Amino acid sequence: DVKVTQSSRYLVKRTGEKVFLECVQDMDHENMFWYRQDPGLGLRLIYFSYDVKMKEKGDIPEGYSVSREKKERFSLILESASTNQTSMYLCASLAGNTDTQYFGPGTRLTVL
Amino acid sequence: GESVGLHLPTLSVQEGDNSIINCAYSNSASDYFIWYKQESGKGPQFIIDIRSNMDKRQGQRVTVLLNKTVKHLSLQIAATQPGDSAVYFCAERGGFQKLVFGTGTRLLVSP
Repeated sequence: DVKVTQSSRYLVKRTGEKVFLECVQDMDHENMFWYRQDPGLGLRLIYFSYDVKMKEKGDIPEGYSVSREKKERFSLILESASTNQTSMYLCASLAGNTDTQYFGPGTRLTVL
Repeated sequence: GESVGLHLPTLSVQEGDNSIINCAYSNSASDYFIWYKQESGKGPQFIIDIRSNMDKRQGQRVTVLLNKTVKHLSLQIAATQPGDSAVYFCAERGGFQKLVFGTGTRLLVSP
C-alpha cells in the first residue's frame, strides 16, 4: 500500500517562529510535492522536488523553503511564520513512471 | 494561464441516487486528468483517472467522462452512499508532473 505520512496533524505556532513540516513516503518515489489548501482556493503548489537535493518553485513559494536530503523525506520550512500562512498543508509523492500523486493526511497549521 | 473549475460548489443527493460532479478545464493541451475524494480532516484520496486519448473510464461504482471538445470532465457515482459524502476535486496535468486542481465540490448524501 502507498503510504505518505506527515509529522503532525495539528500545529500551533507564533508569528516569527521557524516552522518545520516533515513528510515521509515509503514507496521510493522520485517526486514529492508540498501544497497548501485554503477554502475557496483549492490546492496550490508551493514547492516540489524531482530528486534528492533538487527543488523547484511551485505557484506560491514566497515565505517558504524546502529540503530534500533523502529520497523518502521532503521538508517544508517556514522561515518566519506569519498569520497568512495559517492553512492546511498537504504533502504528496509520485513515482517517476506514473501519473498519480498520493497524498498524506495533512497538517493543519495555525499561526497566532 | 491554466485553470480548472467546478460548476457546483455543493451537491446534495439522496442515498441510492446517482451523483454527477462536473468540472471544466481550460488547457486544451492537458493529457491527463484525475479525480480525488477528500473526507473531512484527511488528505485527498485517488478515485479514478483518465488520459486524453480516452473519453470514458469506469471503476467500481465510479465513471469518469472526458469531453475534449468542450473541455469538460465529469465524475459519476452510482448508487451513492453516505460514505461518499466528501469534497471531490478534479485536476489536470499542467506541466512536468504538476497538477492543477479545481476548488472542489462538496457532495452531501442524505439517508
